[in-house]
Amino acid sequence: QKEVEQDPGPLSVPEGAIVSLNCTYSNSAFQYFMWYRQYSRKGPELLMYTYSSGNKEDGRFTAQVDKSSKYISLFIRDSQPSDSATYLCAMRLSGGYNKLIFGAGTRLAVHP
Amino acid sequence: DVKVTQSSRYLVKRTGEKVFLECVQDMDHENMFWYRQDPGLGLRLIYFSYDVKMKEKGDIPEGYSVSREKKERFSLILESASTNQTSMYLCAITGGRGGSTGELFFGEGSRLTVL
Repeated sequence: QKEVEQDPGPLSVPEGAIVSLNCTYSNSAFQYFMWYRQYSRKGPELLMYTYSSGNKEDGRFTAQVDKSSKYISLFIRDSQPSDSATYLCAMRLSGGYNKLIFGAGTRLAVHP
Repeated sequence: DVKVTQSSRYLVKRTGEKVFLECVQDMDHENMFWYRQDPGLGLRLIYFSYDVKMKEKGDIPEGYSVSREKKERFSLILESASTNQTSMYLCAITGGRGGSTGELFFGEGSRLTVL
């Protein structure tokens, strides 16, 4: 069993839809949770991060962490074609050398 | 802006060739990483380095070695390339040890095809 599970998709939605992307994990010691966005033929870039449990909002994006269920989510409101990318969840323990464990990534396509 | 530069974006090599992938950063960060990215498997850590001449194995180091002679440069070496090393290779950097967000800054990737 992988430490971090993420449905690879692809996920196709119409412009304006609410998108929900999810990851589950097995290591209850993870403390930092992140979402990276990767456009085609580019390296990933950090979109959101959350420390421990709770919600974090940034514009159209909301990240949620439920440590009791070992489940994290990224919501995208009013999705745009420019949101079409692969979204990778990542997480790590507290301390150490910032060794992140990544999910496989979910490919999202937002069509006009 | 953070700049992580991978010198080769696309490479085609033959089985058994020695391959060098170079990564250069301009942020004076201590930690540098090499990942490979494969469909359905996500990013897997090959090696990382937390200082000049220091290195640690990641999750899949077999078939790879690394070199860090200068702080800004981290090289990934495939001593004898094999077809199962066909992949996207991503270099990343981050500063400091723990206590920070652990944000990784990535290069644009080097897509290697081994024939």
